[in-house]
Amino acid sequence: QIQLVQSGPELKKPGESVKISCKASGYTFTDYAMHWVKQAPGKGLKWMGWINTYTGQPTYADEFKGRFVFSLEASASTANLQISNLKNEDTGTYFCARQLQLRYVMDAWGQGASVTVSS
Amino acid sequence: DVQMTQSPSNLAASPGESVSINCKASKIISNYLAWYQQKPGKANKLLIYSGSTLQSGTPSKFSGSGSGTDFTLTIRNLEPEDFGLYYCQQHHEYPFTFGSGTKLEIK
Repeated sequence: QIQLVQSGPELKKPGESVKISCKASGYTFTDYAMHWVKQAPGKGLKWMGWINTYTGQPTYADEFKGRFVFSLEASASTANLQISNLKNEDTGTYFCARQLQLRYVMDAWGQGASVTVSS
Repeated sequence: DVQMTQSPSNLAASPGESVSINCKASKIISNYLAWYQQKPGKANKLLIYSGSTLQSGTPSKFSGSGSGTDFTLTIRNLEPEDFGLYYCQQHHEYPFTFGSGTKLEIK
């Protein structure tokens, strides 16, 4: 069955970096794009962008340009999200989600990775 | 950006009842509207996309309607597993945006 398994919770200080992984199984990784979605504590979902898992080309929402980097380890069927120069407002849960083919909707989601930024 | 206004924010209903959740887009998005369910400890689930197309595995008790700017998710014959958070998402244009969510609780 299709599974997206994300890395564990992270506690970081402002200014540090974090890398979140999302390992896919149950399908051909490079056949489906991967999206990233943020959920701040007690808030709704916010789309961060997506990465073409065949070409490696990322697309970022304006709010997530600069400190956020999507990358791939295609041989390991893994997508990564790296956030640098962490700020308190980066605290939240980050979801990876597979894109349904031919539609910009997300048909399989990871369990979420919690990032807490606090001094 | 396309703003998605979802209502109501909270909804209480009893098992067996039917409920509707609304989503209004700030501009015309044709039928590019999806609905998701979020429950604690479970992966988020895509229920409906393109306004009314049921995702594989979504029970027929769920239905979506609307086009343009106004959309509705209807859930018939509520069961305990239907309670949780529901979000709409427009998939018409970048950046893809979500509604603020509707919390469906047991009355």
